[in-house]
Amino acid sequence: DGGITQSPKYLFRKEGQNVTLSCEQNLNHDAMYWYRQDPGQGLRLIYYSQIVNDFQKGDIAEGYSVSREKKESFPLTVTSAQKNPTAFYLCASSNPFNPRSGNTIYFGEGSWLTVV
Amino acid sequence: EDKVVQSPLSLVVHEGDTVTLNCSYEVTNFRSLLWYKQEKKAPTFLFMLTSSGIEKKSGRLSSILDKKELFSILNITATQTGDSAVYLCAVEARGNNDMRFGAGTRLTVKP
Repeated sequence: DGGITQSPKYLFRKEGQNVTLSCEQNLNHDAMYWYRQDPGQGLRLIYYSQIVNDFQKGDIAEGYSVSREKKESFPLTVTSAQKNPTAFYLCASSNPFNPRSGNTIYFGEGSWLTVV
Repeated sequence: EDKVVQSPLSLVVHEGDTVTLNCSYEVTNFRSLLWYKQEKKAPTFLFMLTSSGIEKKSGRLSSILDKKELFSILNITATQTGDSAVYLCAVEARGNNDMRFGAGTRLTVKP
């Protein structure tokens, strides 16, 4: 089945450690995104990528890094520089160049990151 | 600066009630507005709106966009407990794929 797979679903990290969240999609979408969601807040954009080997900072990119070496993969690294990393992270993808679907975003199941 | 504002932030109703959720936006070069429903984890797509005045319907849910006044509403009629969720509004600008989300409206439907 086509979809977006995020892993791990739950992750615990010690302060000062980097951690990488995986996001893989087999929808053949060009664009991929990472969002962060905190309790009672909406989704905030961390990074997005419109095409392979290219990505742009979102609203809260500080303390995060990404790569887009393959179309289907967009891993997010939460670095030790991120002051409040405990949150729910959502990966998404879309095909903005498809005139029928427009930029409907499809989400993965999310990853819960807790810093202990 | 582009922004999306949803209201109310929280709403509690009883089964059978009708609710209206609001989404206003300020976006340069608007392309589309999308509504999502988020229950426990990932949001699920509800509607995509690109043109003013054309109502989109899916069962008891409907939505409409007003591009002149820069807002959209999501209506849910005859609410059920299964409608309890956070409803997210997102706006996309042309040529800029950073989809902007509102803070969401948390709807609780009591039996």
